[in-house]
Amino acid sequence: GAVVSQHPSRVICKSGTSVKIECRSLDFQATTMFWYRQFPKQSLMLMATSNEGSKATYEQGVEKDKFLINHASLTLSTLTVTSAHPEDSSFYICSASHGTRNTGELFFGEGSRLTVL
Amino acid sequence: KQEVTQIPAALSVPEGENLVLNCSFTDSAIYNLQWFRQDPGKGLTSLLLIQSSQREQTSGRLNASLDKSSGRSTLYIAASQPGDSATYLCAVSGNQGGKLIFGQGTELSVKP
Repeated sequence: GAVVSQHPSRVICKSGTSVKIECRSLDFQATTMFWYRQFPKQSLMLMATSNEGSKATYEQGVEKDKFLINHASLTLSTLTVTSAHPEDSSFYICSASHGTRNTGELFFGEGSRLTVL
Repeated sequence: KQEVTQIPAALSVPEGENLVLNCSFTDSAIYNLQWFRQDPGKGLTSLLLIQSSQREQTSGRLNASLDKSSGRSTLYIAASQPGDSATYLCAVSGNQGGKLIFGQGTELSVKP
């Protein structure tokens, strides 16, 4: 158990368009989901924390109007990159906290590579 | 503010060697520490989770230790294999279900 799935795994879009990435917990309810961004050869940087049914909490320096996060259900969170530009090209990874386990372990999706032309 | 550092940044060893990866964190008030493996262009695979009350965890050829008071953790890999080649990341959480703060990772290459 505790599988997190992201879709799409790869997306290429033109500059100015918006892209939505989905993160689903397949076999558990995730009260909290996290979105990370990773540049090549670098570590993961936390972008925001989303709790089901409430507004996401963004890390300092992350534009909330640029990166829209919705956590409408206990199994789905979405990240929408609005008016994407080439500098938004990156690897985006989500993770989820298991709602009923108390270990604090986080489970990660496979990541979504965004390329903005 | 919690900061996580991993040393070395890169490591190349011949097959069969035992090796140790190091992770240090500045704030000892952690809830847990996780070690992950990341293959190029892929997501994260959880290797070991150590709760703050624990000293070590073992899984197969992997052993992770935690010294919370000194802010250190090590990942020991026994009898390394080429298939172990990947980037290894450690991350700490300050509370249950809370966000993880990651180190920069150690890129491991095991040569046949």
